[in-house]
Amino acid sequence: GQNIDQPTEMTATEGAIVQINCTYQTSGFNGLFWYQQHAGEAPTFLSYNVLDGLEEKGRFSSFLSRSKGYSYLLLKELQMKDSASYLCAVMDSNYQLIWGAGTKLIIKP
Amino acid sequence: DVKVTQSSRYLVKRTGEKVFLECVQDMDHENMFWYRQDPGLGLRLIYFSYDVKMKEKGDIPEGYSVSREKKERFSLILESASTNQTSMYLCASSLGFQGTPAETQYFGPGTRLLVL
Repeated sequence: GQNIDQPTEMTATEGAIVQINCTYQTSGFNGLFWYQQHAGEAPTFLSYNVLDGLEEKGRFSSFLSRSKGYSYLLLKELQMKDSASYLCAVMDSNYQLIWGAGTKLIIKP
Repeated sequence: DVKVTQSSRYLVKRTGEKVFLECVQDMDHENMFWYRQDPGLGLRLIYFSYDVKMKEKGDIPEGYSVSREKKERFSLILESASTNQTSMYLCASSLGFQGTPAETQYFGPGTRLLVL
């Protein structure tokens, strides 16, 4: 079956760095997405990786290793507004998105 | 900016009622999707559509139907609501070129449905 695994919850301190991991087993691979979802709101797009390596976008970076079925989202200089759930999703060979359950990130002052 | 709107933020319905959830996108996207989101689970795809009047079943279509009469509008219908359909319903759209970042999905604000 198809599976996306990510930690259920993580806690970090304001100003620090946090890495949210995502491992996947899917039927084919056509890219990996990270979304941010604040409580009670819609998911919003953060990043897309289809080739191995690191993609940097401001305070957020996303890394992909296709051979390991692994990705991480790196958040630097954490701010209180970064408290949210972070969703990992993989596009399979049928171009369908397979979603992880999300990682709830709690930022403490 | 892509804008996806949903007809209601909150709905309360009774068991057995027919429920309509409307979704409209204003960016001429080809693809539209309906998901439900429940605590501890990933987004689960109910139905999707790649074109007007076209629909495809997702992972959990039972108890639901959809309608796409116009490109910008995708409706989700609960034929006879049941308590296990209490959930957050999210509509999304994407541009529609397979295998590119254009597959990025843009979400509406969601409808939180409570079935009593």
